[in-house]
Amino acid sequence: DTEVTQTPKHLVMGMTNKKSLKCEQHMGHRAMYWYKQKAKKPPELMFVYSYEKLSINESVPSRFSPECPNSSLLNLHLHALQPEDSALYLCASSQEGYSLEQFFGPGTRLTVL
Amino acid sequence: ELKVEQNPLFLSMQEGKNYTIYCNYSTTSDRLYWYRQDPGKSLESLFVLLSNGAVKQEGRLMASLDTKARLSTLHITAAVHDLSATYFCAVDSNYGGSQGNLIFGKGTKLSVKP
Repeated sequence: DTEVTQTPKHLVMGMTNKKSLKCEQHMGHRAMYWYKQKAKKPPELMFVYSYEKLSINESVPSRFSPECPNSSLLNLHLHALQPEDSALYLCASSQEGYSLEQFFGPGTRLTVL
Repeated sequence: ELKVEQNPLFLSMQEGKNYTIYCNYSTTSDRLYWYRQDPGKSLESLFVLLSNGAVKQEGRLMASLDTKARLSTLHITAAVHDLSATYFCAVDSNYGGSQGNLIFGKGTKLSVKP
């Protein structure tokens, strides 16, 4: 299996809702990433998990809460989001080692009303 | 702070023509990546360049890395419509580490016309 999968593909939520994004990979990768991508912009790193431990948090607001239950799964819990949080949320994974080539999932298109 | 600059940001090409996209970065790194993104889609890994002088080719695309000049190029040969997409270069900001903190360029939107 050489895929990174993400669910849901689309999500519409109100500012008072709580929702979660899910990412899964079965390539044996030990690093997983969350990115945020606004329209016509490059991806911006949010979080990095390495061996199921949070290693990078790029000053992301606390309304975004990551979780790595095991080496294959990565969640992003969302609460009290703002309309400006609407974006494509991408998950990626990579092997440990020098290459660190990241493989991206298809993304979740999030709209906050 | 690592900065990654791509140019051009927009590129309209005719089929059959050659062109080069440039990626400059501001601090030392020897890990550079090229990705392709189709509209509304995710990122597809094209090339991983890990050392000075690295050159990789896949079909009509060839990427190279000059770490001394802090420059990577993506050369397109005899462009075809299927190459129309946005191309991003990304540089690992944690030189010597293994965090995978990629800093992306703004992307080059390539449009290949008949």
